[in-house]
Amino acid sequence: SQQGEEDPQALSIQEGENATMNCSYKTSINNLQWYRQNSGRGLVHLILIRSNEREKHSGRLRVTLDTSKKSSSLLITASRAADTASYFCAMYGQNFVFGPGTRLSVLP
Amino acid sequence: DAGVIQSPRHEVTEMGQEVTLRCKPISGHDYLFWYRQTMMRGLELLIYFNNNVPIDDSGMPEDRFSAKMPNASFSTLKIQPSEPRDSAVYFCASTPRPGYYEQYFGPGTRLTVT
Repeated sequence: SQQGEEDPQALSIQEGENATMNCSYKTSINNLQWYRQNSGRGLVHLILIRSNEREKHSGRLRVTLDTSKKSSSLLITASRAADTASYFCAMYGQNFVFGPGTRLSVLP
Repeated sequence: DAGVIQSPRHEVTEMGQEVTLRCKPISGHDYLFWYRQTMMRGLELLIYFNNNVPIDDSGMPEDRFSAKMPNASFSTLKIQPSEPRDSAVYFCASTPRPGYYEQYFGPGTRLTVT
């Protein structure tokens, strides 16, 4: 199975702090994607990192990928209350599998 | 483009009734995915299509669930008969090519079976 795991399950921080979420998987992948879901909404794509990449940036987002450890992390810097949402990693290899997600709460 | 369109947005039905969920993918996207999201099980892939052909339906929970894609601009997910445990949010997503491009999600259909 290519199931992924994310930690922490929930994270609560103050506005302005950084938030780090981790994702681990079991089998080889072609790429890994991070998505965000606001309450009651569909998922929105944040960033895609390919298996031959180690780090990508997009605005306040930084994603790393360590294929030797089969893990990825998403860092949100200088968090804002509007970043409050659930964040999912999704692994694409033999199929497409979403992790269970991390619920991030950014307190003003 | 209006994005992925799903209808209805909310559906409340009684156990035993047939439920049909609809999805219109983004024009030009060759892949269409159906997902189910619950608190207990998270986001589950039910089935996906490539060029209107079902490729992997291993996530379809049981024979009560069926999905079709009669053309490139329309797909349905049908539950017959529905049961309370089918209550969930069902998402449709499309992409030009999985693994190379992101998936674009619709707003979802919240299904409640009483």
